[in-house]
Amino acid sequence: AQRVTQPEKLLSVFKGAPVELKCNYSYSGSPELFWYVQYSRQRLQLLLRHISRESIKGFTADLNKGETSFHLKKPFAQEEDSAMYYCAPDYGGSQGNLIFGKGTKLSVKP
Amino acid sequence: DVKVTQSSRYLVKRTGEKVFLECVQDMDHENMFWYRQDPGLGLRLIYFSYDVKMKEKGDIPEGYSVSREKKERFSLILESASTNQTSMYLCASSVGYQPQHFGDGTRLSIL
Repeated sequence: AQRVTQPEKLLSVFKGAPVELKCNYSYSGSPELFWYVQYSRQRLQLLLRHISRESIKGFTADLNKGETSFHLKKPFAQEEDSAMYYCAPDYGGSQGNLIFGKGTKLSVKP
Repeated sequence: DVKVTQSSRYLVKRTGEKVFLECVQDMDHENMFWYRQDPGLGLRLIYFSYDVKMKEKGDIPEGYSVSREKKERFSLILESASTNQTSMYLCASSVGYQPQHFGDGTRLSIL
């Protein structure tokens, strides 16, 4: 079955420290990969997608096909980065085939 | 700015009731989605619609149905509400097949 794993339920770092939110997906073809974020009391929103190779709010995510990973990274965490982060591969095929991970709650302490 | 509006932020209903959750988007998007969000389980797709009157089941469609009579409106229906349907429900719309714009969510409690 197609799966996505975010091994950390909670990740706590200090302001200014590097942060890496892990995401591993099960291999089945070449999924398109996404990260979503939900800040406290705000709507869930799309953060970035791997095909865009973009950096949003200082975050980047590199697709590693060998390790089937799509970790989200930021070199210097800020308090406003505290949020719930979801990794979501889209395995294509039928429409609406995006699978969300269970999420990692990032807490950035001052 | 795209707006996805869910009719209620909080809703309390009783077991066995028929419950309607409404969602409206203002960007003429073809695709609309209903998810439920539960702690420790992430988001799970209930139903997806790719056009008016067109729908596809998601991962957990049991106990739910949907209606899309107009492009901008996508309704989720709990045919006979049960306590295990207490959850946060999120509506989303998108140009593509991945949800792009989400509503604020409806926190539904079934007593």
